[in-house]
Amino acid sequence: KQEVTQIPAALSVPEGENLVLNCSFTDSAIYNLQWFRQDPGKGLTSLLLIQSSQRERTSGRLNASLDKSSGRSTLYIAASQPGDSATYLCAVQGGGADGLTFGKGTHLIIQP
Amino acid sequence: EPEVTQTPSHQVTQMGQEVILRCVPISNHLYFYWYRQILGQKVEFLVSFYNNEISEKSEIFDDQFSVERPDGSNFTLKIRSTKLEDSAMYFCASSFGLTREQYFGPGTRLTVT
Repeated sequence: KQEVTQIPAALSVPEGENLVLNCSFTDSAIYNLQWFRQDPGKGLTSLLLIQSSQRERTSGRLNASLDKSSGRSTLYIAASQPGDSATYLCAVQGGGADGLTFGKGTHLIIQP
Repeated sequence: EPEVTQTPSHQVTQMGQEVILRCVPISNHLYFYWYRQILGQKVEFLVSFYNNEISEKSEIFDDQFSVERPDGSNFTLKIRSTKLEDSAMYFCASSFGLTREQYFGPGTRLTVT
């Protein structure tokens, strides 16, 4: 059974810093990995999808990498802003499954 | 930009009652999903739906749950006899293809009293 772990569980940094969020998964037979942002009491906003054949995707200040063989992904956020404060979720799809398996998330606070 | 919508945003019901949660997926998407998130816990997959039938369901999706696409736009989740432990945020999602990006709606918060 796929398990997804996210480290750290919480992170607080001053505005302007670059930061890295980590995600690991136990079964490397994935189709893709998706990073989401969740604001309190709200839905999930898709940030980036990386297909299993890809190593990296970039969108604005966000860069996500995937090392399928080691079961790891990182989300790099450059020049963090207070508006980046949210919970960031990592989710994988694979192993013949339709549904996404989620991590518990990293709760990020950017201090102004 | 197209988005997934869900109604109602909040539903309060008594234990044992039936509830129907509604979703309108993105119009050209082919795969539809329901997930739930109990307060403070991970988002969990419930069911996927493709070509007017269930494609996959999790252990959570027991006989109390059912899904339907009653027309060309709506996708519904029915819980026949709600329990206290069904209290959660329920998210609908859709994707164009099975391994394509899933887009989530804002969720319906279900409170069972």
